[in-house]
Amino acid sequence: EVQLLQSEGGLVQPGESLKLSCAASGFTFSTYAMTWVRQAPGKGLEWVSTISGSGGSTNYADSVKGRFAVSRDNSKNTLYLQMNSLRAEDTAVYYCARISPWWGQGTLVTVSS
Amino acid sequence: DIVMTQTPLSLSVTPGQPASISCKSSQSLLQSEGKTYLYWYLQKPGQPPQLLIYEAFNRFSGVPDRFSGSGSGTDFTLKISRVEAEDVGIYYCMQTIQVPWTFGQGTKVEIK
Repeated sequence: EVQLLQSEGGLVQPGESLKLSCAASGFTFSTYAMTWVRQAPGKGLEWVSTISGSGGSTNYADSVKGRFAVSRDNSKNTLYLQMNSLRAEDTAVYYCARISPWWGQGTLVTVSS
Repeated sequence: DIVMTQTPLSLSVTPGQPASISCKSSQSLLQSEGKTYLYWYLQKPGQPPQLLIYEAFNRFSGVPDRFSGSGSGTDFTLKISRVEAEDVGIYYCMQTIQVPWTFGQGTKVEIK
């Protein structure tokens, strides 16, 4: 059974950093691209970033480019999202996903002073 | 960026009646190898999205056969043949043919 278990989020101040993690099981992690999608409160879904199975290729939404960094540790079957210089508009539930069918439970990140 | 436009944005349906949601993309989602990179999701309150349809018309495992996807190129439709109470939520289409991947605005389905 495919499972994606996400770390806790939290409340951070504007300008601070936070690192999310997503532990995968039930499939050969290294052979699949992994994706982060976020959803601001009461809003729709927004693609954030995708990383290839090897980790050698990454893509980012313009809204996070230069501030967020996606990475993975295939020896630990874990996906990460390093979020720097956080802004109020980054407040959202962040989902890790193995597109298309498998999604984590979501992690709430709140950026507020 | 590919813009995904869903209509309607909300739908109120009597149980047992059909429902239809349209999703139009600003560019073709058909790849040269013949795959169409269009997905349909249902998101229920407090839950992550759940996949209904992949590659435009393929029903995901375990999805009831009252859900069907159709369309090609830039025009797509999700149909529910007979709406049930458990079908309430927000439906999204999504394209993955080009980065940035983009979603439709969502269609909220309610039961009358």
